[in-house]
Amino acid sequence: EAQVTQNPRYLITVTGKKLTVTCSQNMNHEYMSWYRQDPGLGLRQIYYSMNVEVTDKGDVPEGYKVSRKEKRNFPLILESPSPNQTSLYFCASSIMGGTNSPLHFGNGTRLTVT
Amino acid sequence: AQSVTQPDIHITVSEGASLELRCNYSYGATPYLFWYVQSPGQGLQLLLKYFSGDTLVQGIKGFEAEFKRSQSSFNLRKPSVHWSDAAEYFCAGAGGTSYGKLTFGQGTILTVHP
Repeated sequence: EAQVTQNPRYLITVTGKKLTVTCSQNMNHEYMSWYRQDPGLGLRQIYYSMNVEVTDKGDVPEGYKVSRKEKRNFPLILESPSPNQTSLYFCASSIMGGTNSPLHFGNGTRLTVT
Repeated sequence: AQSVTQPDIHITVSEGASLELRCNYSYGATPYLFWYVQSPGQGLQLLLKYFSGDTLVQGIKGFEAEFKRSQSSFNLRKPSVHWSDAAEYFCAGAGGTSYGKLTFGQGTILTVHP
């Protein structure tokens, strides 16, 4: 089954403790992206990747890192999480370029930073 | 700055009534435009998309949207709403100098009364 898989679904952590949210897709998509969803703000793009080893900042990249060493994986790294990063995070992928092909979304990761 | 705005945070309709959800965009050139739907606890699913050509686009689940350049709008419509349409709806756009960056509106929560 074609899908985008994020892990974990729920994560509670403390300020400053490094964490990684994994994202994997099995559709051979070139484009992958991370979003955070906050009430009243919709989804805001954190980082995106047009292909392996090609990443770029979205609208809210501060406090986050990503890497794209393989086509299928696009982990989101929080080196030193802070409470304002408490949010619902979505990973998404598409065939090529986020602008001309629809996104396939994962089921989300709800992160709480205390 | 490029942006997508959904003026209505929450809309309530009766089952069987018609529906129109508003979306306005601000881009230098004609953007790619999308409507996504999010059911509780789920990721987003694409309803329809507009790239060029016919300004009235048909999507899944009986939804349609009309691109109006003169009004910078891309409103989503459905002639008869079903209770299962209750969800949050997001308009999104991309284009211009932001290839790869997809900007979402704030979302509109739809409640359907029996």
